Amino acid sequence: GQSLEQPSEVTAVEGAIVQINCTYQTSGFYGLSWYQQHDGGAPTFLSYNGLDGLEETGRFSSFLSRSDSYGYLLLQELQMKDSASYFCVGNSGNTPLVFGKGTRLSVIA
Amino acid sequence: NAGVTQTPKFQVLKTGQSMTLQCAQDMNHEYMSWYRQDPGMGLRLIHYSVGAGITDQGEVPNGYNVSRSTTEDFPLRLLSAAPSQTSVYFCASKLTPNTGELFFGEGSRLTVL
Repeated sequence: GQSLEQPSEVTAVEGAIVQINCTYQTSGFYGLSWYQQHDGGAPTFLSYNGLDGLEETGRFSSFLSRSDSYGYLLLQELQMKDSASYFCVGNSGNTPLVFGKGTRLSVIA
Repeated sequence: NAGVTQTPKFQVLKTGQSMTLQCAQDMNHEYMSWYRQDPGMGLRLIHYSVGAGITDQGEVPNGYNVSRSTTEDFPLRLLSAAPSQTSVYFCASKLTPNTGELFFGEGSRLTVL
């Protein structure tokens, strides 16, 4: 099975950098995904780490360390529109994707 | 690009009624799944399918049935609706069970009175 832990809420200032951590216990683990969900909307895919290290996509970066069963999502130059919930998801072979409870990010002026 | 299409977007049921939430994808994805999301909660997996003719249970399957007679369609049936099934339901698909990106429908908001 899968178990993912991430903080329930994070608040950060517009223009700042914020890191959302995720620790996991997943059998047969081979990658970590991140999804963003705005209130009233559907989740959308942000990034995927299949290998250890940092993946960068514009203002967003995601990191994975398999030895530590740990990953994080880094958001730079925060904008008000980044206020949303962020979910880490463990990918493990043919077992289904199970979402954690998510981190609600509030960006304040 | 249609992607993943869910219908209906909103539905109100009375306790004991049955209904089917429809989900269709036009991306030839092997993997399809249904999640429910309750206020302040993450997404909980109800049922999933790794291909036509194959379905399996997720975390919260009780009270729901699915079938996968074609690659494109993955309907979710509520057998006898209960107030505890009031939720937002999301259908999602991805190319294969092993690929990372999950594509979501817009969601179906269900209220059971």
